[in-house]
Amino acid sequence: EDKVVQSPLSLVVHEGDTVTLNCSYEVTNFRSLLWYKQEKKAPTFLFMLTSSGIEKKSGRLSSILDKKELFSILNITATQTGDSAVYLCAVGVNNNDMRFGAGTRLTVKP
Amino acid sequence: NAGVMQNPRHLVRRRGQEARLRCSPMKGHSHVYWYRQLPEEGLKFMVYLQKENIIDESGMPKERFSAEFPKEGPSILRIQQVVRGDSAAYFCASSPQSTGMNSPLHFGNGTRLTVT
Repeated sequence: EDKVVQSPLSLVVHEGDTVTLNCSYEVTNFRSLLWYKQEKKAPTFLFMLTSSGIEKKSGRLSSILDKKELFSILNITATQTGDSAVYLCAVGVNNNDMRFGAGTRLTVKP
Repeated sequence: NAGVMQNPRHLVRRRGQEARLRCSPMKGHSHVYWYRQLPEEGLKFMVYLQKENIIDESGMPKERFSAEFPKEGPSILRIQQVVRGDSAAYFCASSPQSTGMNSPLHFGNGTRLTVT
């Protein structure tokens, strides 16, 4: 059975801290790994990773994939209160299906 | 350029009633996915549709649930004879290609269904 496991489930930090969110997976037919940020509204797309070892960056966020060890990390540096959200990891497993993790709930305190 | 539009945002139904959830994909997107999100759980795939076709409904309960994406108009997720366990947030997502082509999904704001 395909599995996507995110850790930690929740995290509380203070503004300015750096956080690392983890996503490990066991799936057949891996195609891609995606990170989404979900606040009260819809999940918004952050990154798509298909190749190992290539870091993707967007401002204070970065992510990397390790296809040998079957995990990805999402880093957020200099966190701000606006980073508070649930971060979802999703793995594309075939032509039309994705498996989502349960998410990591990040709370950034002022 | 409107994003994925879902309505209603909130829906309250009594047990035994029918719930209809609507989703209009982004302009130019012909692939629609429905997901259910339960508290403290990730998004669970329900069904994948293209215009007038159900491509994969493996995540949708066989009874009481149905989905359509007609040639004209929004995609509809229909839940008949709702039960309390159907209470959840239902998200619709669209993409210009299937996710197998590594195309990110664009999500709507969800419909929060509460069954009383």
